Amino acid sequence: NAGVTQTPKFQVLKTGQSMTLQCAQDMNHEYMSWYRQDPGMGLRLIHYSVGAGITDQGEVPNGYNVSRSTTEDFPLRLLSAAPSQTSVYFCASSTSPSGRADTQYFGPGTRLTVL
Amino acid sequence: AQSVSQHNHHVILSEAASLELGCNYSYGGTVNLFWYVQYPGQHLQLLLKYFSGDPLVKGIKGFEAEFIKSKFSFNLRKPSVQWSDTAEYFCAVATDKLIFGTGTRLQVFP
Repeated sequence: NAGVTQTPKFQVLKTGQSMTLQCAQDMNHEYMSWYRQDPGMGLRLIHYSVGAGITDQGEVPNGYNVSRSTTEDFPLRLLSAAPSQTSVYFCASSTSPSGRADTQYFGPGTRLTVL
Repeated sequence: AQSVSQHNHHVILSEAASLELGCNYSYGGTVNLFWYVQYPGQHLQLLLKYFSGDPLVKGIKGFEAEFIKSKFSFNLRKPSVQWSDTAEYFCAVATDKLIFGTGTRLQVFP
């Protein structure tokens, strides 16, 4: 049982490049979400999913896309990276199928720098 | 829309001092409430949570929090802090999604 895994751990991009941050969980959790953490701003919700095939926007969705083709995986795509997207990204999952979040299990994070 | 406020951005204490971190939320319906902790270089861990029942909840490492519905508050407390409590603390509110406050950085000096 690996919990929530994220890859890569570190990434440097140039402005305009695209990339996908991977997130996977092996706990059969229905609810998954992506957050970005910035100094003084806490964690802000980017997108979330209440089950395979269902996604919705959080607080700061612009510039990011998500999909949920399987219960296990919830990738986050940056379409055209901007310096404002420099941040630490956390993926989380929980058992709550309705999104009424039970205890969230967090991944180790991806530190992204956009030059 | 739900929101969470943590008014203490940075708290500095000496060991054995008492701690109280404020958390207020805005949402008209039923909520679930959480406190998470992030130690330096680590990811978030759950300290405690409130879903229903006794409004005074106890968590790990001697932390507790009290839900006061009339004040929309869920303050975190610890009677005597230790140097190892140095970390960032996040309050969070769950309705159909989980929203975090901006965090409180706690520094405890020996």
